[in-house]
Amino acid sequence: EPEVTQTPSHQVTQMGQEVILRCVPISNHLYFYWYRQILGQKVEFLVSFYNNEISEKSEIFDDQFSVERPDGSNFTLKIRSTKLEDSAMYFCALGIAGFNEQFFGPGTRLTVL
Amino acid sequence: GNSVTQMEGPVTLSEEAFLTINCTYTATGYPSLFWYVQYPGEGLQLLLKATKADDKGSNKGFEATYRKETTSFHLEKGSVQVSDSAVYFCALSRNSGYSTLTFGKGTMLLVSP
Repeated sequence: EPEVTQTPSHQVTQMGQEVILRCVPISNHLYFYWYRQILGQKVEFLVSFYNNEISEKSEIFDDQFSVERPDGSNFTLKIRSTKLEDSAMYFCALGIAGFNEQFFGPGTRLTVL
Repeated sequence: GNSVTQMEGPVTLSEEAFLTINCTYTATGYPSLFWYVQYPGEGLQLLLKATKADDKGSNKGFEATYRKETTSFHLEKGSVQVSDSAVYFCALSRNSGYSTLTFGKGTMLLVSP
């Protein structure tokens, strides 16, 4: 099973500030996903990333969000100007070619004050 | 669109009791079905999966059968342990290689000694 780490584990920020959440796959994968889970609610899909470009995104993933793989290793989610409602647990997931399984990281808890 | 409906929790059981967590889905085509588990303070772990009708996924004593006629994928375990206390998420993906996951709201299971 592939390993996924995420940093930081917890991020506290002020409303309007930019945050960058990082996902570090231990092995090479082509397919990356970001999901979020607002406290007490279900896990929601944000965006998928394949071959260095966005392949699918949800209505949640508006212009305030962006993703990239800047150095061919880390996979980042940037929120340009955070809002209170962005407070959630953000999960990175990896996809293995040929399978429908996704492997999740431990998550980053984002708290916007 | 795709959707997953799970029974409301929390489900409270005594150790060694029988567990059923209901899950039904709405999807076009032939989705793959999954159960993920989230232990306190941790990320999502794949528990089991089934990719076609009548498949049974199983792991760690948990089982679920893909029932296309009832669009269901109920999770069962014959004898739960305190260590099974967690939140369980039913999810589906379109049966294409790299599609996103659609999750249910999650069901919390609390097992007491």
